Amino acid sequence: KAGVTQTPRYLIKTRGQQVTLSCSPISGHRSVSWYQQTPGQGLQFLFEYFSETQRNKGNFPGRFSGRQFSNSRSEMNVSTLELGDSALYLCASSPLPNTEAFFGQGTRLTVV
Amino acid sequence: GENVEQHPSTLSVQEGDSAVIKCTYSDSASNYFPWYKQELGKRPQLIIDIRSNVGEKKDQRIAVTLNKTAKHFSLHITETQPEDSAVYFCAASRIPTFGRGTSLIVHP
Repeated sequence: KAGVTQTPRYLIKTRGQQVTLSCSPISGHRSVSWYQQTPGQGLQFLFEYFSETQRNKGNFPGRFSGRQFSNSRSEMNVSTLELGDSALYLCASSPLPNTEAFFGQGTRLTVV
Repeated sequence: GENVEQHPSTLSVQEGDSAVIKCTYSDSASNYFPWYKQELGKRPQLIIDIRSNVGEKKDQRIAVTLNKTAKHFSLHITETQPEDSAVYFCAASRIPTFGRGTSLIVHP
């Protein structure tokens, strides 16, 4: 069974640009969550989707948005990038909410 | 929203010692409490989890305890080995919220 796949693995963007990150969950998993990981801040929750509906949202500005498609694949978008958005963005999939989450390898975003 | 506090931020032990990491949560509606291990440069992986209808769960050298009344849960690792060295994260689930992590260092 293929694991959680995130693309791209690495991105370098300029301040003010926007970026879209993609996450393909494990086959059969309907729940996808997104996290921002930075040194010293741990894993900060961005969004949780289940069956194409946003179930929960973390405390991030409106520049961060996401969606989930009918095949459970998910994307997150960050507009008007700031230097502080540089981080590892991790996606995790679960069969259902509140069950074991399997993480992807992450997308390393660098904003210059 | 949910708030998860995790302590200590760093834990250094000798091989063979026990290690305990503690977390508290704020949302009494949370009912699923996983623990993840993240080795350097790798993705987090689940090591053990517990649901709110259970007070304790063990898996070989790892155990988790949950006190719903006090809203805290703990990870216990016995007979630590150098390969246990990693960052450990607790989480509470109603709104997926992770603690800030504990860097466990096991000295041979």
